[in-house]
Amino acid sequence: QTVVTQEPSFSVSPGGTVTLTCGLSSGSVSTTNYPSWYKQAPGQAPLTLIYSTNTRSSGVPDRFSGSILGNKAALTITGAQADDESDYYCVLYMGSGIWVFGGGTKLTVL
Amino acid sequence: EVQLLESGGGLVQPGGSLRLSCAASGFTFSSYAMTWVRQAPGKGLEWVSSSSGSGDSRYYADSVRGRFSISRDNSKNTLFLQMNSLRAEDTAVYYCAKHFGFYIGSPMGDYWGQGTLVTVSS
Repeated sequence: QTVVTQEPSFSVSPGGTVTLTCGLSSGSVSTTNYPSWYKQAPGQAPLTLIYSTNTRSSGVPDRFSGSILGNKAALTITGAQADDESDYYCVLYMGSGIWVFGGGTKLTVL
Repeated sequence: EVQLLESGGGLVQPGGSLRLSCAASGFTFSSYAMTWVRQAPGKGLEWVSSSSGSGDSRYYADSVRGRFSISRDNSKNTLFLQMNSLRAEDTAVYYCAKHFGFYIGSPMGDYWGQGTLVTVSS
């Protein structure tokens, strides 16, 4: 059973930079997993930030960027704002039609 | 403007069935894979099932395989999720999501619906 790992929580100061990661319980994340990142506010549908590792979705500010760092996918937020406080999820394509979400990271801006 | 509108959620007893619909508009529906994602109360997102643009390829999470069935009517721009043998742990908000391409392996989440709540309880 493949598990996608994310930090349960993270905090960042306003104006600061934070990097959230998305890993695999076994093995390394690569671009062939097509990692995507979503932001979800309470009671709202997810909002796609990044897809295919590093492509920003339409309308997403360039403060959000995606990459592969070591053996994980990463979402970096620069110039953190109060509005960035939210839950963030990654998803990985495991092949054979299977997608797996990470458990999510609760980001606090304070 | 792309819109995805889910419907069909509600309260159902354990062992019962429910059929969710996702009505799509604003794009060529048959050209894009579609996915169902669910979120149990207070929990994270969980991939449930995906369909290629044609509907010929369909895949399921282990947690629902054999009980849920995804289908689509490309003539009516609608995605479905037939849910049978429902369990308490299937209680969740169910979202439909459009992929960026035709194949299930294309990234998901180009657009999301607002979700429909399914509650399985006696």
